[in-house]
Amino acid sequence: SFVLTQPPSVSVAPGKTARITCGGDNIGTKSVHWYQQKPGQAPLLVIYYDTNRPSGIPERFSGSNSGNAATLTINRVEAGDEADYYCQVWDTDSDHPGVVFGGGTKVTVL
Amino acid sequence: QVQLVQSGAEVIKPGASVNVSCKSSGYTFINYYMHWVRQAPGQGLEWMGIINPNGGYTRNAQKFQGRVTMTRDTSRSTVYMELSSLRSDDTAVYYCARSRGTGAAAIDFWGQGTLVIVSS
Repeated sequence: SFVLTQPPSVSVAPGKTARITCGGDNIGTKSVHWYQQKPGQAPLLVIYYDTNRPSGIPERFSGSNSGNAATLTINRVEAGDEADYYCQVWDTDSDHPGVVFGGGTKVTVL
Repeated sequence: QVQLVQSGAEVIKPGASVNVSCKSSGYTFINYYMHWVRQAPGQGLEWMGIINPNGGYTRNAQKFQGRVTMTRDTSRSTVYMELSSLRSDDTAVYYCARSRGTGAAAIDFWGQGTLVIVSS
């Protein structure tokens, strides 16, 4: 099945930029979605179809996808952005198509 | 407003089954697919399967083939997930979550989660 690889952790100072990568074989040919999960809460969609922000998600959040990596970028990081972030695709390549999540990246605001 | 309200926490003995419900409101039930996703303590998200409330078609992750059953009751706008032959490593928070379609569609809303503890 399709494998998505994320760094386990990213640390960033307030006001700086956090970049979270999601690696996968030719992931640029797939649609990537990103979710934010804070402790004790359900995940929240922050980017869909590579680059789109749902209503209510700050413009500081953006996404890109090309080649073998998708990236979630958080500009002007705030303390409230501290959370786990997961990328997700629909795997059409295997005999059992389905949703695949990356392993998650913990973003720590220093 | 959209709500997905799940049933309460469960403590289940190994080998038994658990049934988790997810009641939808605030949107047209049959227009959105429903996923089941679980998260073991301290771990990441794991997709279990998807059901189309309009007709009841399901697709399960290979890992759960033969152990998970997803159903729906359109009169109650509710979907159900039954997981059988429970083991200790099935201890997790189980989420229902909707998407506009199958395939590449994003999951745009999640239930609050149901904690299932498998313990003798």
